[in-house]
Amino acid sequence: DAGITQSPRHKVTETGTPVTLRCHQTENHRYMYWYRQDPGHGLRLIHYSYGVKDTDKGEVSDGYSVSRSKTEDFLLTLESATSSQTSVYFCAISESQWDRGANEQFFGPGTRLTVL
Amino acid sequence: EDQVTQSPEALRLQEGESSSLNCSYTVSGLRGLFWYRQDPGKGPEFLFTLYSAGEEKEKERLKATLTKKESFLHITAPKPEDSATYLCAVQSGTYKYIFGTGTRLKVLA
Repeated sequence: DAGITQSPRHKVTETGTPVTLRCHQTENHRYMYWYRQDPGHGLRLIHYSYGVKDTDKGEVSDGYSVSRSKTEDFLLTLESATSSQTSVYFCAISESQWDRGANEQFFGPGTRLTVL
Repeated sequence: EDQVTQSPEALRLQEGESSSLNCSYTVSGLRGLFWYRQDPGKGPEFLFTLYSAGEEKEKERLKATLTKKESFLHITAPKPEDSATYLCAVQSGTYKYIFGTGTRLKVLA
């Protein structure tokens, strides 16, 4: 199994509070991603990183920010949590394959976040 | 617009009853198509990558195939432990992945 951990695994918070989720990898993969998974939707990309301090927005980035100060850590912050951000959040990693155009992603165990 | 559609949404099979899951896609510039298995409360687990039409991959009771418009995940003689949600995804850019909503498979003993 790819070495990816997420913390916390479960969190309940109140509307308006800041929340930070952490993803840690031991695979030394260059690319890291944050997704959210909601019923009726496929996994949707929030933000991604293509290197230390190199990040960019995904399709559902409003209300979220990220930081990557080390290769192994990728943080997702909800500046002021809202009920619409109640979801399961997954971190994923991937690495470039010089001989292939596609890079499979490996996922962490997820964080279940409830915003009351 | 890039899109991935999986069918059926849910499937119930008797143990040993073979079947197929479908993943239809429209994408500008397919780099690869991926299949994942997801158990309740867990993250998706990578199964296969398919790169071009005509390619096939196998793993135990699972076989994935790819055409220019769709992919199939064939499950031969399934067992109860094959029960899970199976996700399909396509990669159309360096960082662009589009996921389907999955097929929930239940295999009855």
